[in-house]
Amino acid sequence: KNEVEQSPQNLTAQEGEFITINCSYSVGISALHWLQQHPGGGIVSLFMLSSGKKKHGRLIATINIQEKHSSLHITASHPRDSAVYICAVGGQGAQKLVFGQGTRLTINP
Amino acid sequence: DTGVSQDPRHKITKRGQNVTFRCDPISEHNRLYWYRQTLGQGPEFLTYFQNEAQLEKSRLLSNRFSAERPKGSFSTLEIQRTEQGDSAMYLCASRKGSGNTIYFGEGSWLTVV
Repeated sequence: KNEVEQSPQNLTAQEGEFITINCSYSVGISALHWLQQHPGGGIVSLFMLSSGKKKHGRLIATINIQEKHSSLHITASHPRDSAVYICAVGGQGAQKLVFGQGTRLTINP
Repeated sequence: DTGVSQDPRHKITKRGQNVTFRCDPISEHNRLYWYRQTLGQGPEFLTYFQNEAQLEKSRLLSNRFSAERPKGSFSTLEIQRTEQGDSAMYLCASRKGSGNTIYFGEGSWLTVV
């Protein structure tokens, strides 16, 4: 079992739909990151959080430390949101990040 | 553009050849990471530098792989005697401190034929 599991692996939705991507992890962490990767490789950090909830524009990230679970929500989804969304965790005392396998999101117009 | 530069962006090489990738992190970032990503998978940790010191290496980093960060600024990742299984994207990332946002480069794609 991977240390970081994401669901779903693939998600296709219509423009305007509310999107939820889930991340579960099995190790103690100091922080959890949500990342976005577009075709061609570049990865952009969306959120880094260790508790509670963060919001940036149409993106919302939540984390439940007790349940070792995080969710990324996208409101009013748009085709430009189409990308791979990756959850990564930084372990306690560890410098490296451990990544989930990613969720491929496609938003159709 | 995140400010982390990688070069070359793409490299096609014959099996058995050596390749070197370069990463220029954001200038004030003392932490630098190398990750490897294959198609359909999330990145996997390779190695980590704090300033010029290589503090952690993954078991994925066989003795054909070597990384350096000689002056605590740019870093190089060399793969000797490349194998087809080395084909992947090699990602560099940097951050200012362990509690700060991490910034990724665009990646260097390696194809070994």
